[in-house]
Amino acid sequence: DQQVKQNSPSLSVQEGRISILNCDYTNSMFDYFLWYKKYPAEGPTFLISISSIKDKNEDGRFTVFLNKSAKHLSLHIVPSQPGDSAVYFCAAISVNTGNQFYFGTGTSLTVIP
Amino acid sequence: GAGVSQSPSNKVTEKGKDVELRCDPISGHTALYWYRQSLGQGLEFLIYFQGNSAPDKSGLPSDRFSAERTGGSVSTLTIQRTQQEDSAVYLCASSLSTDRSEQYFGPGTRLTVT
Repeated sequence: DQQVKQNSPSLSVQEGRISILNCDYTNSMFDYFLWYKKYPAEGPTFLISISSIKDKNEDGRFTVFLNKSAKHLSLHIVPSQPGDSAVYFCAAISVNTGNQFYFGTGTSLTVIP
Repeated sequence: GAGVSQSPSNKVTEKGKDVELRCDPISGHTALYWYRQSLGQGLEFLIYFQGNSAPDKSGLPSDRFSAERTGGSVSTLTIQRTQQEDSAVYLCASSLSTDRSEQYFGPGTRLTVT
């Protein structure tokens, strides 16, 4: 049962443009969300997070938006750079799930120079 | 500083053999997690440790899988009588605590069962 879903397996964006990566979840008890970035042959690295009490969190070129009513979050990268090319995973956690992080299947982003 | 390390980086084994995967977390991190990523799948939670205890073993796919952690540091994930469907990248992560602390991942162990 995939509680966190990333329905786009891949995305290509021109350098300088905005990249929008989407994530949907089914468990309304999730109260903390994270995005991880993964390069080939490396483990995922933490990128940005958002608590359910917020609807937006910004860190430099990265902004995460949370729409709780739609159970949807998105990661915006502006402007996109070739070094952003990687697989992006969203993850969710709630008090009720203990400390189990639920990850999506990932979206492979390619930023074209 | 040193990050999370895992060994071996690659392991090829024959079906039916046992394998042991090792994870060295970041020093001082009390929480340790094991995940599995199969081809085309997301990160599948296996087990987490708070110190040496594992409160949640629900993610282990079968009784062939077991894990332990000693001294609040190194953890080993053991797969007995490996099957081809066990082939995956096994990732370990650690964090300062088990609240909302971000997890730091190791590079993973790629397991191939032939």
